[in-house]
Amino acid sequence: QKEVEQNSGPLSVPEGAIASLNCTYSDRVSQSFFWYRQYSGKSPELIMSIYSNGDKEDGRFTAQLNKASQYVSLLIRDSQPSDSATYLCAVKIEYGNKLVFGAGTILRVKS
Amino acid sequence: EPEVTQTPSHQVTQMGQEVILRCVPISNHLYFYWYRQILGQKVEFLVSFYNNEISEKSEIFDDQFSVERPDGSNFTLKIRSTKLEDSAMYFCASSELRQTFNQPQHFGDGTRLSIL
Repeated sequence: QKEVEQNSGPLSVPEGAIASLNCTYSDRVSQSFFWYRQYSGKSPELIMSIYSNGDKEDGRFTAQLNKASQYVSLLIRDSQPSDSATYLCAVKIEYGNKLVFGAGTILRVKS
Repeated sequence: EPEVTQTPSHQVTQMGQEVILRCVPISNHLYFYWYRQILGQKVEFLVSFYNNEISEKSEIFDDQFSVERPDGSNFTLKIRSTKLEDSAMYFCASSELRQTFNQPQHFGDGTRLSIL
């Protein structure tokens, strides 16, 4: 059973701080990793994708991947109240195209 | 920006009835998916579809479920005889290419299915 694990939270950070969200996965042949943001009652919205070890930055967001440790993270700099949402980690294995989602981490940014 | 559109936004159906959920994927995308999310639970993969056939399906996608691309734009999910446990948010997604593993999937706004 291929699993994607996330801390359910809630993770509370003050406005302007860095939020750090973590995800581990069990399948070593996982190739592609995605972070989605989901507001309550809404659909997943793609934020970042990462495929290679190391860091990938896009605006206030940085995704970090360590395949040896089977670990992927998302950093949100200068957190804003509008960042308050559930962040979903999704993993795609080498064969096939389905995404396996974690349960998500609830982020609350307090102003 | 192109987006995946789903109709209806909310569907209420009596148990045992058939329901069809509709999706219009992004126009240049070739790979289509259905996922579902039961309230408070994970997003779960149901089925993927490419070149007019199912390419992968999960254990959830049993004989009660079917998918179809009836024309050049629509992609549908049919549930033949709905059960109470089919109540969930159903998301359609699409992506550009099949063989390129790093193509992201873009999700529609979802259809909330309520079975009474």
